[in-house]
Amino acid sequence: SQQGEEDPQALSIQEGENATMNCSYKTSINNLQWYRQNSGRGLVHLILIRSNEREKHSGRLRVTLDTSKKSSSLLITASRAADTASYFCATYRTYKYIFGTGTRLKVLA
Amino acid sequence: DVKVTQSSRYLVKRTGEKVFLECVQDMDHENMFWYRQDPGLGLRLIYFSYDVKMKEKGDIPEGYSVSREKKERFSLILESASTNQTSMYLCASNILAGGYNEQFFGPGTRLTVL
Repeated sequence: SQQGEEDPQALSIQEGENATMNCSYKTSINNLQWYRQNSGRGLVHLILIRSNEREKHSGRLRVTLDTSKKSSSLLITASRAADTASYFCATYRTYKYIFGTGTRLKVLA
Repeated sequence: DVKVTQSSRYLVKRTGEKVFLECVQDMDHENMFWYRQDPGLGLRLIYFSYDVKMKEKGDIPEGYSVSREKKERFSLILESASTNQTSMYLCASNILAGGYNEQFFGPGTRLTVL
């Protein structure tokens, strides 16, 4: 089964609202990354958080990591229609990346 | 601009055909990866390579093989395509540097096996 599991599977919000996605994983990690995938395209790296970090920001993105709960969250503030995409978390440990099943975000204009 | 390219965006093949998917990166990355992506299953690692002529099995290597003769090129081979190999195939590359190791992805190849 997938190491990373995103929650919710799908999310629909209005433009300007915040979107929060969660990721849970099962084993210890070196770091956790979030990626975005626009429909039918490759993945684009958004942000990486190391196992010794608790929070990280990048523009409108905020990522938290709780290693005791083996979970992470991605917050997108002031969402835009262009944020419509699927979002994946990926855990990294010794050469291998394990991706979750993704959250499909739809931002309505 | 960093770039990972894949030989085809869409490919249609018949059952039993030998299929080659090519991936090229221009970033001098040591590591290259092949994933398949299916609805509800996310990305699953097929094979990866951390150096020329080196390869490691991922989580679902059955029915696939790979070749890495040059650093910039990583090929995925379906020896005898089957309908259950219909999927989106994604190639990625990266360099391990100081623990910061984002992957760079190609645009994907959507393969249909009839």
